[in-house]
Amino acid sequence: EPEVTQTPSHQVTQMGQEVILRCVPISNHLYFYWYRQILGQKVEFLVSFYNNEISEKSEIFDDQFSVERPDGSNFTLKIRSTKLEDSAMYFCASSERAGDYNEQFFGPGTRLTVL
Amino acid sequence: SQQGEEDPQALSIQEGENATMNCSYKTSINNLQWYRQNSGRGLVHLILIRSNEREKHSGRLRVTLDTSKKSSSLLITASRAADTASYFCATDSHSWGKLQFGAGTQVVVTP
Repeated sequence: EPEVTQTPSHQVTQMGQEVILRCVPISNHLYFYWYRQILGQKVEFLVSFYNNEISEKSEIFDDQFSVERPDGSNFTLKIRSTKLEDSAMYFCASSERAGDYNEQFFGPGTRLTVL
Repeated sequence: SQQGEEDPQALSIQEGENATMNCSYKTSINNLQWYRQNSGRGLVHLILIRSNEREKHSGRLRVTLDTSKKSSSLLITASRAADTASYFCATDSHSWGKLQFGAGTQVVVTP
């Protein structure tokens, strides 16, 4: 069964460093998302992406964050200058359709630790 | 505004028993989805119910949706130890697919 994959599974970085989190969505999916979950808290929406553009972003997704689909398979989240509070599990998700049938499938996550 | 609040926060049952958890939300929705998360792991999609549906089944899972009360329930029948996990509801409210998650129900199934 097709699944969303994410790399790396765990990333440790120093405050102020740039990180790139990578995702390979399910191949026939057209809508892509990033979410994060700080330890012990709710899963929070960061950004949605469709047709090579950001569709919607949350207040969390400030100028330090960017997303890109550099080729036909990868979808990346870049954090330019990491802060301690960026430490969280980051999940990529994808869906085939929008609206009523927007069934989102999540990857296993990347645990980001900022020191 | 907060969407998708689950109740109860925690549930402890014996194998073979049924587990029921509820989700309430505040705004109108396109659909509501239930996910399972094992400790420290990814989110596994369980079931999606659209706003015009009232009930849906998938294996041992039964989901109901009452849009007049803005609530949903997830029933797991004949629970197994492997069902031990956190369960989350997530609502899609007519935006670009943004899901809003609740805090989840932690379910522990003891053999």
